[in-house]
Amino acid sequence: GEDVEQSLFLSVREGDSSVINCTYTDSSSTYLYWYKQEPGAGLQLLTYIFSNMDMKQDQRLTVLLNKKDKHLSLRIADTQTGDSAIYFCAEKGRDDKIIFGKGTRLHILP
Amino acid sequence: DTGVSQNPRHKITKRGQNVTFRCDPISEHNRLYWYRQTLGQGPEFLTYFQNEAQLEKSRLLSDRFSAERPKGSFSTLEIQRTEQGDSAMYLCASSLSETGDYEQYFGPGTRLTVT
Repeated sequence: GEDVEQSLFLSVREGDSSVINCTYTDSSSTYLYWYKQEPGAGLQLLTYIFSNMDMKQDQRLTVLLNKKDKHLSLRIADTQTGDSAIYFCAEKGRDDKIIFGKGTRLHILP
Repeated sequence: DTGVSQNPRHKITKRGQNVTFRCDPISEHNRLYWYRQTLGQGPEFLTYFQNEAQLEKSRLLSDRFSAERPKGSFSTLEIQRTEQGDSAMYLCASSLSETGDYEQYFGPGTRLTVT
């Protein structure tokens, strides 16, 4: 079946890089996503990667995809207090529904 | 267009009551999705529409849940005889199905509390 796994918590010092990892099971996924959810707010699409790509960079964000191992990571460079949120890894499965992980809560240390 | 909107934003109801939520997608988006998010979990797919046709329903959607999109624009999600386990955030998303589309745009959600 379809499943997305990610660690639940990550603490990082302000200014350091944050790396959030994710594994997924559906090898037929076409798109893989990282969503951000701040307290009381909706889901914001941060970035996405098409399944035939290995890497995508967008300003402070770098997404790495290892399709063989079904492993996705999100690196946030120069982490700021405003990056504190829950980050969801997700895959676009069959019939276009999005399968989400449980989310990684990113905590920024001063 | 200001994005996907959902009403109400919050709903508190007593167990056994019926509730109805509304979602207004981005105009011209032909696909509309409903998800449910419980505390500490990621959103879980419930159902989706292409125009007015409901194309898929998750097994999470019990007989007490019904969704409609009568004119292919806004959608409603009704829960009958609510139970405490129905307490969650109900998220709506919309997208435009065309070659290469990748993004579902999410609304702010309706938080349901069943007492």
